[in-house]
Amino acid sequence: DAKTTQPPSMDCAEGRAANLPCNHSTISGNEYVYWYRQIHSQGPQYIIHGLKNNETNEMASLIITEDRKSSTLILPHATLRDTAVYYCIVTAGANNLFFGTGTRLTVIP
Amino acid sequence: NAGVTQTPKFQVLKTGQSMTLQCAQDMNHNSMYWYRQDPGMGLRLIYYSASEGTTDKGEVPNGYNVSRLNKREFSLRLESAAPSQTSVYFCASSEAMSFYEQFFGPGTRLTVL
Repeated sequence: DAKTTQPPSMDCAEGRAANLPCNHSTISGNEYVYWYRQIHSQGPQYIIHGLKNNETNEMASLIITEDRKSSTLILPHATLRDTAVYYCIVTAGANNLFFGTGTRLTVIP
Repeated sequence: NAGVTQTPKFQVLKTGQSMTLQCAQDMNHNSMYWYRQDPGMGLRLIYYSASEGTTDKGEVPNGYNVSRLNKREFSLRLESAAPSQTSVYFCASSEAMSFYEQFFGPGTRLTVL
């Protein structure tokens, strides 16, 4: 599976949009981009995933570039409860994953 | 629905001791997974079970064994614990063998002295 590169940490003001980038320049055609988050040592929580098109759900939006080499997770109105480590994962299947160290997002009051 | 439950929550072992970590899910999921997370690191897949009756190795299987007891339960056994196995262990489940929306348990914090 393709590996990803994420900034180690980011800050975001409460109520503002949080934009978390992810580079995955070696992504293959059959690999999806997934985002999970982990709040303070709890089990990870699924956020969103996509293949080529942009996706939106009740939690977030996922923007994937046309060449699929990078993506951005957008939390439209960050709250203090969104403080977490966010993992960008690129994979075609669940039996060969690379979680990486993710981006630690801190939402500031 | 309890989702994914794990027991115990905390455990301290001495080197060479054995133990079994228990995991159960009540979502009627076919696939289950065991991960470990070392301090400051992401999760690494130890073993997975695509469906009842099947198990396969993940990225870091050495020192572990698993049993898919039935559709609900997936246990992880450490036969002879080593300090390198000090970690937080997470169990997860999903409807099918895909990474789409795996549901994770709260974790078991294991220390091996």
